[in-house]
Amino acid sequence: DSGVTQTPKHLITATGQRVTLRCSPRSGDLSVYWYQQSLDQGLQFLIHYYNGEERAKGNILERFSAQQFPDLHSELNLSSLELGDSALYFCASGRQPTYEQYFGPGTRLTVT
Amino acid sequence: TQLLEQSPQFLSIQEGENLTVYCNSSSVFSSLQWYRQEPGEGPVLLVTVVTGGEVKKLKRLTFQFGDARKDSSLHITAAQPGDTGLYLCAGAEGVIYNQGGKLIFGQGTELSVKP
Repeated sequence: DSGVTQTPKHLITATGQRVTLRCSPRSGDLSVYWYQQSLDQGLQFLIHYYNGEERAKGNILERFSAQQFPDLHSELNLSSLELGDSALYFCASGRQPTYEQYFGPGTRLTVT
Repeated sequence: TQLLEQSPQFLSIQEGENLTVYCNSSSVFSSLQWYRQEPGEGPVLLVTVVTGGEVKKLKRLTFQFGDARKDSSLHITAAQPGDTGLYLCAGAEGVIYNQGGKLIFGQGTELSVKP
């Protein structure tokens, strides 16, 4: 158990809908990262938050947004969902000084 | 964005054999990590290497970071069926002092160890 929790574990929704994925980092970790994993793209970095502020963005679509709250949990919002958004979404948290990241169990999103 | 290339992509061996997985880049990374992932689960951190030339051992797994910090290898001795899984290397990029940075992942090596 990495100490990172993600909910829900599975999510099935229709095209055009909006969903919210939730992540709670390990106790004491200020950084939260979101990644998307699909069969053809592998693990792709989406966005990094540190202590409530956005620090880096990857190839995150404009339809996707995230935020980190004062209690350090984070939410990833996916809107106007398309079939191609079906993937595993992972949250990771980390702390200094080794930049190690610890991954949650993931949310499997299926868009039908 | 820096790229990491892993090889081989797939490896199927018999129990007791040795194997090496390679992770190469043309760019320098501040640190490199190896993860193991089971189907449907999150990657689990195995090791972090930071210093060029560094060698770390984790039971039957030996990790090496290249002198120039551009490449790394994972060697497994006497593989067991329990070693089966997806092995991923990841390099830290865009590190902001004391705040962390994103990980760039290789495509992974799918290892199958048959009894």
